[in-house]
Amino acid sequence: RKEVEQDPGPFNVPEGATVAFNCTYSNSASQSFFWYRQDCRKEPKLLMSVYSSGNEDGRFTAQLNRASQYISLLIRDSKLSDSATYLCVVNIGLYNNNDMRFGAGTRLTVKP
Amino acid sequence: NAGVTQTPKFRILKIGQSMTLQCTQDMNHNYMYWYRQDPGMGLKLIYYSVGAGITDKGEVPNGYNVSRSTTEDFPLRLELAAPSQTSVYFCASSYARVTHTGELFFGEGSRLTVL
Repeated sequence: RKEVEQDPGPFNVPEGATVAFNCTYSNSASQSFFWYRQDCRKEPKLLMSVYSSGNEDGRFTAQLNRASQYISLLIRDSKLSDSATYLCVVNIGLYNNNDMRFGAGTRLTVKP
Repeated sequence: NAGVTQTPKFRILKIGQSMTLQCTQDMNHNYMYWYRQDPGMGLKLIYYSVGAGITDKGEVPNGYNVSRSTTEDFPLRLELAAPSQTSVYFCASSYARVTHTGELFFGEGSRLTVL
């Protein structure tokens, strides 16, 4: 089983749609959770952290379910500029409390 | 605002050749990392460093070496390149442990092909 698993997609949605991505992780001792965004042939960039109580940043909402070892990202009112690959990232704290494990990513294309 | 700078951006190597990927950051970050990203796979940690003079292995260190003589620089050395090392390599840095902030600052990546 992969440490961090994501549906690879691609998700093709029209502008204005709501889309949700899911991620599961295998290490129950994982400490912290994040979503990164990676544009085509570019470097990953932090989108948002994921907190146990759930958190929102504009059109983006992240949820964490520690019991099910499941993370989600919801994007409302999709924009063309949201087209990217979304990486689920889990800090399992194995190496010196700083061990980030990346999912393979979910590709999103938002169409006019 | 240079951030994390990697060179070269592209390189083709022959099997058995060696090369060094350069990485430098101007943010005075203590932590630096090297990842590789293969198609359909998540980024894998090769080596990391928590400060000048200190390096340690990540998930996939075989075939690579690193050094950290200064806070700014963290070069990655490939000895005896193999086709399995064909990948995109990302250098990253962070100010401290990213347990809560999660923010790694990445360079633009180096695409390496071994033929």
